[in-house]
Amino acid sequence: SQQGEEDPQALSIQEGENATMNCSYKTSINNLQWYRQNSGRGLVHLILIRSNEREKHSGRLRVTLDTSKKSSSLLITASRAADTASYFCATEALNRDDKIIFGKGTRLHILP
Amino acid sequence: DAGVTQSPTHLIKTRGQQVTLRCSPKSGHDTVSWYQQALGQGPQFIFQYYEEEERQRGNFPDRFSGHQFPNYSSELNVNALLLGDSALYLCASSLAGGATDNEQFFGPGTRLTVL
Repeated sequence: SQQGEEDPQALSIQEGENATMNCSYKTSINNLQWYRQNSGRGLVHLILIRSNEREKHSGRLRVTLDTSKKSSSLLITASRAADTASYFCATEALNRDDKIIFGKGTRLHILP
Repeated sequence: DAGVTQSPTHLIKTRGQQVTLRCSPKSGHDTVSWYQQALGQGPQFIFQYYEEEERQRGNFPDRFSGHQFPNYSSELNVNALLLGDSALYLCASSLAGGATDNEQFFGPGTRLTVL
């Protein structure tokens, strides 16, 4: 079963604009991670935010976490063509059973 | 420093056959997890191996089995293949114990097509 649900399912924006993707999850978590996947290839780990953190930055990426709403957002600023990919949120449950549960992903397309 | 490697890259099988996929973890990692990703979906957790034993298992039938070797590499075996087993199979490695975070590093995947 999928724990997270990304929103929107697909997003097309102009190069240079900011892209925001949201993720909602169901159970209490230890951490939440965002991954990128290009054209059905392996996943690339982008950023991890712990349950006691509210915001985290990495380059052009900004992730927020609201545990009261069980939601997270990923903001990509100043988008580039190379950002075109699918983005997934994944959660590690609070019981740390070491299973990482992924959502269905957001397909981001950056228009030239 | 080699990352996670998987073999083969692509594989075509027919229904009823058996398949073995292989994974070598990132250097220094001791835990291997396997995921199945159907087209247009997120990865689904199959199972995780640590110290040569299956530690966690997702909602997959017994046709899916695995193994971890002393050098931490791992195999995923699928018996009696069904059309629905067609997917990208991803291997991820991590370092167990100590750290509270479970950052996983993924391989490029094996694309399995069942005809």
